[in-house]
Amino acid sequence: GQQLNQSPQSMFIQEGEDVSMNCTSSSIFNTWLWYKQDPGEGPVLLIALYKAGELTSNGRLTAQFGITRKDSFLNISASIPSDVGIYFCAGQLAVGGSEKLVFGKGTKLTVNP
Amino acid sequence: DAGVTQSPTHLIKTRGQQVTLRCSPKSGHDTVSWYQQALGQGPQFIFQYYEEEERQRGNFPDRFSGHQFPNYSSELNVNALLLGDSALYLCASSLGWSEQFFGPGTRLTVL
Repeated sequence: GQQLNQSPQSMFIQEGEDVSMNCTSSSIFNTWLWYKQDPGEGPVLLIALYKAGELTSNGRLTAQFGITRKDSFLNISASIPSDVGIYFCAGQLAVGGSEKLVFGKGTKLTVNP
Repeated sequence: DAGVTQSPTHLIKTRGQQVTLRCSPKSGHDTVSWYQQALGQGPQFIFQYYEEEERQRGNFPDRFSGHQFPNYSSELNVNALLLGDSALYLCASSLGWSEQFFGPGTRLTVL
């Protein structure tokens, strides 16, 4: 099935460091979303982006919708132990709403105290 | 306000058997989408139900079928199970232009 190219696959960082991950696609999307998934749980929405070039923050998280509409990145500043988990990017053809989501393979983040 | 709930939490089946998974959407939501998440992968879209009809479908065989009830809850049925069907099955609900909210998933193991 269709998937986005997400990198890096995994990251091992020290508490307090900043983190950056990105997602690219050969197709255009009109909505980009970033989710976090903890073990045994479903994905939880962190940030949604609806316009090319948009930069949105949610606390220590910042995400941008690429100008070409084919990429997005997520930054986490001053990481803490509870940031541990798997981060997924997802694209939608529609602007928000119930349109199917196309996911990346995820970035597994480990934070050492 | 209850979020998306799924049952059962875990399920073990053998090849060739049939399975039914259940999902109750978040209160006020009318659309249910199902995703399959294999180990180490991102979720893959199976299909979506709205007004008791299948509205969109991903690249999954006809062995995967579903249903939506008048109260918006939904079932995912998989027939003739294969080893490769072992995965976490996620249900997501939404309303109109709202984002999709995911349930905790059902872990299916096929032996």
